[in-house]
Amino acid sequence: GAVVSQHPSWVICKSGTSVKIECRSLDFQATTMFWYRQFPKQSLMLMATSNEGSKATYEQGVEKDKFLINHASLTLSTLTVTSAHPEDSSFYICSAREGGTHVSYNSPLHFGNGTRLTVT
Amino acid sequence: GQSLEQPSEVTAVEGAIVQINCTYQTSGFYGLSWYQQHDGGAPTFLSYNALDGLEETGRFSSFLSRSDSYGYLLLQELQMKDSASYFCAVKDSSYKLIFGSGTRLLVRP
Repeated sequence: GAVVSQHPSWVICKSGTSVKIECRSLDFQATTMFWYRQFPKQSLMLMATSNEGSKATYEQGVEKDKFLINHASLTLSTLTVTSAHPEDSSFYICSAREGGTHVSYNSPLHFGNGTRLTVT
Repeated sequence: GQSLEQPSEVTAVEGAIVQINCTYQTSGFYGLSWYQQHDGGAPTFLSYNALDGLEETGRFSSFLSRSDSYGYLLLQELQMKDSASYFCAVKDSSYKLIFGSGTRLLVRP
């Protein structure tokens, strides 16, 4: 089946530094990937939609200059948390929509295993 | 705005049946999905309803009524390993997957 690899699975960084999280679709092409953030015991909140070859679309309230998204190829999207602060500590999860140029509403969505970010 | 409402917690005993409800209000609707998430893990897909009615997959069934903007997940023959959080999710008009508030299910012996 389709696999989405997310790396790293966990990371601890110091306040003020930047952290990059990678999301790869291993055996399928994904023109669209989604980035979610989840705080403990809360729901998954959509942060942004990552589109291959174009700018990401951010949800309301998400700072695009703080959460940099790059989707340079059909199999890789990256999320960089810039100048991280303790309040950015969270579980970040990516998902990839299966399908190259022929995406429809029922194209399967596959999730990575998530990255737990702790900012000290 | 968009909202998906679920009960926050449900407790049931092993072997029992439990139903988790979900009501939604979204901009566009392209199906209702259910996901299971264990603590510290990623969400795992359980089921998807695009049309009204019941979909059955083993011990899990999911129901949708589009006219009522309502669906539910039915878990039968509960096992201890079913203790987890369950999320309903709707694909909106942008094909984005919007998650509900989540229901923590605790299965007791």
